[in-house]
Parts: sequence; structure tokens; C-alpha cells
Amino acid sequence: DAMVIQNPRYQVTQFGKPVTLSCSQTLNHNVMYWYQQKSSQAPKLLFHYYDKDFNNEADTPDNFQSRRPNTSFCFLDIRSPGLGDAAMYLCATSRVGGRDGYTFGSGTRLTVV
Amino acid sequence: AQSVTQPDIHITVSEGASLELRCNYSYGATPYLFWYVQSPGQGLQLLLKYFSGDTLVQGIKGFEAEFKRSQSSFNLRKPSVHWSDAAEYFCAVGAVSFQKLVFGTGTRLLVSP
Repeated sequence: DAMVIQNPRYQVTQFGKPVTLSCSQTLNHNVMYWYQQKSSQAPKLLFHYYDKDFNNEADTPDNFQSRRPNTSFCFLDIRSPGLGDAAMYLCATSRVGGRDGYTFGSGTRLTVV
Repeated sequence: AQSVTQPDIHITVSEGASLELRCNYSYGATPYLFWYVQSPGQGLQLLLKYFSGDTLVQGIKGFEAEFKRSQSSFNLRKPSVHWSDAAEYFCAVGAVSFQKLVFGTGTRLLVSP
């Protein structure tokens, strides 16, 4: 089945130690998104890629970076994780225009110790 | 910019009873509207979507939603709730010309025996 896969499901990192979360898709969708979801809150868009075109949300901290080396893969890099960055990170994909909705991965739960 | 309001943070429904989850959106043009469901520790699954045509849309798992432009609403309904429906439900709005979805803060559904 075509899907969005996030690895790992659970990630524990030390305060200030760089961490990378990965997302892959077999849907061949042009657009990939990274959302941050804190407990009992709505998912918040961090950035998205339209093919290789990177689009950062205005309020996304500089501490968060992303890479998309090819259509299938997208990475979220957190350069210096703080305690406030502990959250579920959701990757999603869509066709151009998004009218079919997004397909989400199962998420990566990040814990910062 | 678009926005979504889900006025009910929690709703408890008896198994077998009907369900209606409220969603109000704000957007100046024709929106794309979505309902997603999220089980604990999981990603989001698309239940249904609306972008044009019939204002009553059918989705998976027996859910339906009705778009009412005059009320800026897109309420989710199910005639008979099952215990497995207990989850968090998110309404989302997308603009025709933009890629990104904006999510409401979610409604947590509890199903009592």
C-alpha cells in the first residue's frame, strides 16, 4: 500500500543535542509537510516543500531545518533541542493543490531529556 | 488567512447514540474542508472532505458532514457511535490557492458504555 512512513516512532534526545527525524513516501506526491503537535493541541505547520521549493512558516524557529534530497524523502533537523521542543512530529504529503487532503504518517514522538 | 474553530473540547456520547461535532471556519473564498481522526499516539486519518458540489459528504467509518456556507460550518455527524470511535477529531480548512491546511484545536470524543 502507498503510504507515508516516519522513523523512528519514538526518539529520545538530550537537551541541545542535534536530532534528525525522517519521513518517506511511496505516493509520489509533490508536496511534503512537517507539523509539530504538542499535547492536546492542533498540529502546527512548521514548513512544507513543493517539489524542491522550500516554504518556511514565519513563526517557525530557526532551530528547525528541513531537507528534501528527493521526491520520496524529507528530513526534519532540530539543531539544538530544548525542553519545549518535546512533541509529536507529523509528516504529511499531498498532491499539488491539496484538494484530496493530506496523507499523514504515524508520527515521531520526540522526548528531550 | 483561514481559521477553524471547534467549540467543544470534549464530548461524551453513549455507545449507539448519535454524534455531532461542530466546526466553524473563517475564510473569504471557497474553502476546502476536511475532517481527520487521530487515535492516541497515531497520525491523522482523513475521514472526509468537501471542496465543491453536494454539500452533504459521506466519509469512511459511517461519518458524514454537511457544509453550510451561510453558517460557515462543516459539522461532522454519525448516526450511531461505536466504542472504537473514541478518538480526537480535527476539522481543517484549506484555501484553494494555498497548499497548507489549518487545523482546529480538536474535539476529544469519549464513548460511554
